[in-house]
Amino acid sequence: DVVMTQSPLSLPVTLGQPASISCRSSQSLVHSDGNTYLTWFQQRPGQSPRRLIYKVSNRDSGVPDRFSGSGSGTDYTLKISRVEAEDVGVYYCMQDTQWPWTFGQGTKVEIK
Amino acid sequence: EVQLVESGGGLVQPGGSLTLSCAGSGFTFSSYWMSWVRQPPGKGLERVANIKPDGSEKSYVDSVKGRFTISRDNAKNSLYLQMNSLRAEDTAVYYCATVARAVAGGDYWGQGTLVTVSS
Repeated sequence: DVVMTQSPLSLPVTLGQPASISCRSSQSLVHSDGNTYLTWFQQRPGQSPRRLIYKVSNRDSGVPDRFSGSGSGTDYTLKISRVEAEDVGVYYCMQDTQWPWTFGQGTKVEIK
Repeated sequence: EVQLVESGGGLVQPGGSLTLSCAGSGFTFSSYWMSWVRQPPGKGLERVANIKPDGSEKSYVDSVKGRFTISRDNAKNSLYLQMNSLRAEDTAVYYCATVARAVAGGDYWGQGTLVTVSS
């Protein structure tokens, strides 16, 4: 199985400041169809997960443009340009290139 | 409005069985791959099973293979997860979710249903 490793696991941030979460895969996430299926989810406290980014860098409908995804090969990053209070929660990366699709451990974002 | 509503969770003894259901509305259920994802209390996410729109292809994570069966009834806009030989480590909130790997929008999740395996 592809192992997804996130860092840091806890990220205290100041409102209005940027934040960055790293996700590393144990093998390349390039699919045979040429796409790279790396997805980012946000899970706010007490809520179901919500997809933010798909295929590395594509923002989902309704996701604020302060969220951006980047990366290639085995290294990927989610960036929040200016953290807002509503961004508090746990962020997960997930690879959906190879079954079983696997998640990172999650990064808890909290306000300092 | 898109809705996925899970039901069927509860307390079950080790070795017991349970069937989860998920009712979809507000979208073309029969066009989507569907998935069950679970989350043990206070822990991370695990995608347990996927099923193709017509039900002809199913995939399972190794930890549930041979014990869980995913199925769907497109006429009823419903997804199911039959869980047998349940273990304590199957205790989790179970979410049903659409699969929309390559398109914007279309990634929907239910509110989850809690399964507790304990004597």
